Amino acid sequence: SAVISQKPSRDICQRGTSLTIQCQVDSQVTMMFWYRQQPGQSLTLIATANQGSEATYESGFVIDKFPISRPNLTFSTLTVSNMSPEDSSIYLCSVEEAVDEQFFGPGTRLTVL
Amino acid sequence: EDKVVQSPLSLVVHEGDTVTLNCSYEVTNFRSLLWYKQEKKAPTFLFMLTSSGIEKKSGRLSSILDKKELFSILNITATQTGDSAIYLCAVRVQRGNEKLTFGTGTRLTIIP
Repeated sequence: SAVISQKPSRDICQRGTSLTIQCQVDSQVTMMFWYRQQPGQSLTLIATANQGSEATYESGFVIDKFPISRPNLTFSTLTVSNMSPEDSSIYLCSVEEAVDEQFFGPGTRLTVL
Repeated sequence: EDKVVQSPLSLVVHEGDTVTLNCSYEVTNFRSLLWYKQEKKAPTFLFMLTSSGIEKKSGRLSSILDKKELFSILNITATQTGDSAIYLCAVRVQRGNEKLTFGTGTRLTIIP
């Protein structure tokens, strides 16, 4: 399966600032996704990162808060903007390789003070 | 609204025991069900199921899907401390919508 890396692996940020998380894949993939996992909760899809066009956001998530870039088939970024403590979560990117098989990156643990 | 429910929420067993984890779902246009193991941050892919009654097996882990009763089980035999993790079930709906809907997970703890 593809090797997925994320940077940073963890960060502690101040309220009101923004953080950009990078996701790099070692092969070209069509589908890339960004998920959030709040403490004690399961994974929730934020958006699908589309190469060459705007991301497709799920209900409850907006581009102004979570802008996403997908400049090519191996890379994507997620920015968490104007952070508040409620944004403290693990952020995960995932890719789909074979049909119906999604694989996850190592995750970014974000703490907002 | 699509719904995925896992049970039990947590489970503590002794090493060597066999466990069965449950996942039930209510979705429109079901396509596939996936199981993941989450130890720290990243969920690790275990199985993908699309057809009823066909068991998928990997070592001590196995899983089966019942599309009539809308559930899946994940079995782990001869459990080891390394099996301690959160086990997540996710469901995908119709082609063209690649979204996974996740259950809340089962936290499994294996006592030596």
